[in-house]
Amino acid sequence: GAGVSQSPSNKVTEKGKDVELRCDPISGHTALYWYRQSLGQGLEFLIYFQGNSAPDKSGLPSDRFSAERTGGSVSTLTIQRTQQEDSAVYLCASSLRDGLRDTQYFGPGTRLTVL
Amino acid sequence: GQQLNQSPQSMFIQEGEDVSMNCTSSSIFNTWLWYKQDPGEGPVLLIALYKAGELTSNGRLTAQFGITRKDSFLNISASIPSDVGIYFCAGRLDNTNAGKSTFGDGTTLTVKP
Repeated sequence: GAGVSQSPSNKVTEKGKDVELRCDPISGHTALYWYRQSLGQGLEFLIYFQGNSAPDKSGLPSDRFSAERTGGSVSTLTIQRTQQEDSAVYLCASSLRDGLRDTQYFGPGTRLTVL
Repeated sequence: GQQLNQSPQSMFIQEGEDVSMNCTSSSIFNTWLWYKQDPGEGPVLLIALYKAGELTSNGRLTAQFGITRKDSFLNISASIPSDVGIYFCAGRLDNTNAGKSTFGDGTTLTVKP
């Protein structure tokens, strides 16, 4: 079956523009996570959705970042008024549930470059 | 927030050699995870550890959950060229919001044939 897919794979934008990044999780997975990976760094948690519960937004770095998950499936991460420090790889992951033993499956990421 | 210190930052080894890398934290975790990331792809889970002192193997990989719950190591035996990549440790703290993981900065492994 298909894994987690993300689009676009690469995005180059100008400072100040808005961008939308898309994640298609594995079918049937109720939990969805967004992480950010800067060059040479580990993954930084951004936001997490579990079923119909309110998302955990505790990792979002500023109010320019937002995410939604429609119909419990596809998720969109939106960055408004992009800044150069937003340049990074944005990774999405999904898991069957959000339990301690639920494996997260990652997508290939979207590489965002803000000029 | 919690920080994970992962070392070494990079390793250059000869094919056939064994590899060891570790992660330490100033605070405890309930779960330790080890991932491998290939270029242009997301991380893939290698080993998950759920109990302090647990020692788990997956083929040539062995990982241990430190008894203090503040550290973990990953060993790779008899390395082969396809072991090349970036290895990340990650920790999870509690049973709620369990999916939130704190990641180390990674160990970049290069294997020379």
